[in-house]
Amino acid sequence: ETGVTQTPRHLVMGMTNKKSLKCEQHLGHNAMYWYKQSAKKPLELMFVYSLEERVENNSVPSRFSPECPNSSHLFLHLHTLQPEDSALYLCASSRGTGGGDEQFFGPGTRLTVL
Amino acid sequence: GQQVMQIPQYQHVQEGEDFTTYCNSSTTLSNIQWYKQRPGGHPVFLIQLVKSGEVKKQKRLTFQFGEAKKNSSLHITATQTTDVGTYFCAGSGGSYIPTFGRGTSLIVHP
Repeated sequence: ETGVTQTPRHLVMGMTNKKSLKCEQHLGHNAMYWYKQSAKKPLELMFVYSLEERVENNSVPSRFSPECPNSSHLFLHLHTLQPEDSALYLCASSRGTGGGDEQFFGPGTRLTVL
Repeated sequence: GQQVMQIPQYQHVQEGEDFTTYCNSSTTLSNIQWYKQRPGGHPVFLIQLVKSGEVKKQKRLTFQFGEAKKNSSLHITATQTTDVGTYFCAGSGGSYIPTFGRGTSLIVHP
């Protein structure tokens, strides 16, 4: 266990559904991240939050909407997704965003969009 | 923007053979991290290199950071089936968030 939990672990949704992914870290870290990992692409950074403020958004489609209510929790709200959005969504946290901080990853949510 | 290239994408070895993965950056890095992701798992931090020319060892794993701080390598001596997984490098330039390479998937045949 890395101290980062994600729920649900598996999710199947239709293109018209709305769902949310949840991430929680118990490490006292100040930064949290969402990554997308699909079979044929490297780890894609989606969003970064530092002290609950979004510091980076790598041109992610608006059908993905992040929310960081506090430094321990991070959500990814999903709506009207496409089949190509099927992937493993990983949450990570680190002490800060200073570049030299180890990232601790959660187990991921395996998302399938039908 | 910063790009981190990693080769090879896949590597098949017989158990007992050595393995090396290489990471190259388009810009000078302040540090580089290495992660391992087991099949069905999530990336787990292995090590961080900071100094030019730095070499660090963890049992059978040897990590190197190039003199120019633009490349790095991970070498595994005498691979075992427990080494199976994907190895990622992640480089950052100062205060920037690390950029991950594509990863090298290691397959070890018993």
